[in-house]
Amino acid sequence: DAMVIQNPRYQVTQFGKPVTLSCSQTLNHNVMYWYQQKSSQAPKLLFHYYDKDFNNEADTPDNFQSRRPNTSFCFLDIRSPGLGDAAMYLCATSGGGQGFYEQYFGPGTRLTVT
Amino acid sequence: AQSVTQPDIHITVSEGASLELRCNYSYGATPYLFWYVQSPGQGLQLLLKYFSGDTLVQGIKGFEAEFKRSQSSFNLRKPSVHWSDAAEYFCAVGAGYGGSQGNLIFGKGTKLSVKP
Repeated sequence: DAMVIQNPRYQVTQFGKPVTLSCSQTLNHNVMYWYQQKSSQAPKLLFHYYDKDFNNEADTPDNFQSRRPNTSFCFLDIRSPGLGDAAMYLCATSGGGQGFYEQYFGPGTRLTVT
Repeated sequence: AQSVTQPDIHITVSEGASLELRCNYSYGATPYLFWYVQSPGQGLQLLLKYFSGDTLVQGIKGFEAEFKRSQSSFNLRKPSVHWSDAAEYFCAVGAGYGGSQGNLIFGKGTKLSVKP
């Protein structure tokens, strides 16, 4: 089945230690998104790639970066995690056009910062 | 500005009872509307979507939703709830242009509990 895969599912990092979260997709979608979801809150969009074009949300902290080396993979880098960055990080994809808004989500990576 | 309101934070229904989850949106044009479900510790799964046409849309798992433009609503319904439906439900509107194109504006979610 075509899907969105996130690794690892659980990640523990230390305060200030860089961490990278991974997302891959077999849907061949143009667009890949990263969301942050804190406990009992709605997902919050951090940024997205349309093909190789990077689109950062205005309120996404500089501490968060992303890379998309090819269509299938996208990475979220947190350069210096703080305690407030502990959250579920969700990757999603969409196919562009009218399907732009029809997003398919991975299972998420739960990040703990100690 | 676009927004989505889910007035009910938490709803409890008995297994076999009917369900309606409310969603109101604020958007200037014809919206693209979605319902997603999230089980604990999992990602979001698309239940159904409305882009245009028939205002009653059918989704997976026996869910349906009705778009009512006059009320700016897109309520989710299920005639008979199963214990496995216990989860959090998010309504979302597709909005934005330019740099925010493709952005989904989510409501804060409604947590559904199912009594045996």
